[in-house]
Amino acid sequence: DAKTTQPPSMDCAEGRAANLPCNHSTISGNEYVYWYRQIHSQGPQYIIHGLKNNETNEMASLIITEDRKSSTLILPHATLRDTAVYYCIVRVSRATNKLIFGTGTLLAVQP
Amino acid sequence: GAGVSQSPSNKVTEKGKDVELRCDPISGHTALYWYRQRLGQGLEFLIYFQGNSAPDKSGLPSDRFSAERTGESVSTLTIQRTQQEDSAVYLCASSFRTGGTDTQYFGPGTRLTVL
Repeated sequence: DAKTTQPPSMDCAEGRAANLPCNHSTISGNEYVYWYRQIHSQGPQYIIHGLKNNETNEMASLIITEDRKSSTLILPHATLRDTAVYYCIVRVSRATNKLIFGTGTLLAVQP
Repeated sequence: GAGVSQSPSNKVTEKGKDVELRCDPISGHTALYWYRQRLGQGLEFLIYFQGNSAPDKSGLPSDRFSAERTGESVSTLTIQRTQQEDSAVYLCASSFRTGGTDTQYFGPGTRLTVL
């Protein structure tokens, strides 16, 4: 199973960009990188995913290195409501698409 | 349309009792997943449904845990003879499987407390 490594916590000032790193050095060629976040006492919320190209949507941007061994989630203008645990996930099984969650990064956006 | 819903939102039970947790997926979603999240930890996969069949039950922790799904609709997770270590938030997710990548959308969870 491909595993991910994330820092346990990060701080970011409100209005600034939040850059959340993730290492996935054992990722396979057909495995996607997914990002979810979980705000306290809520279910996880999908943010973005990618295979090898950089991706952008209304929530965030995902930058994947050329060797695919790491990626960065970018929240361009963090707000207090972005305070959450952010999970970087490499899809494990093409057959079932079950998600393997690690412990994630607790992002604290400071006023 | 409506997102994934789960009921009850909270359940307190006594050790040894059976509980049923319900998940209503997003309409039209063919795949349904159950996960468990213990306090302060990440999510653990329990079971996956494609339609009403369960090709992956590998995460069910013991034979006290079972789940079923009616067609491509409601799913029920049943825990028999509950134990204190079953206390957790049980999360359901659904997705529209196309054979390629798909995105799972999660419900708010059911918080189970076993006394």
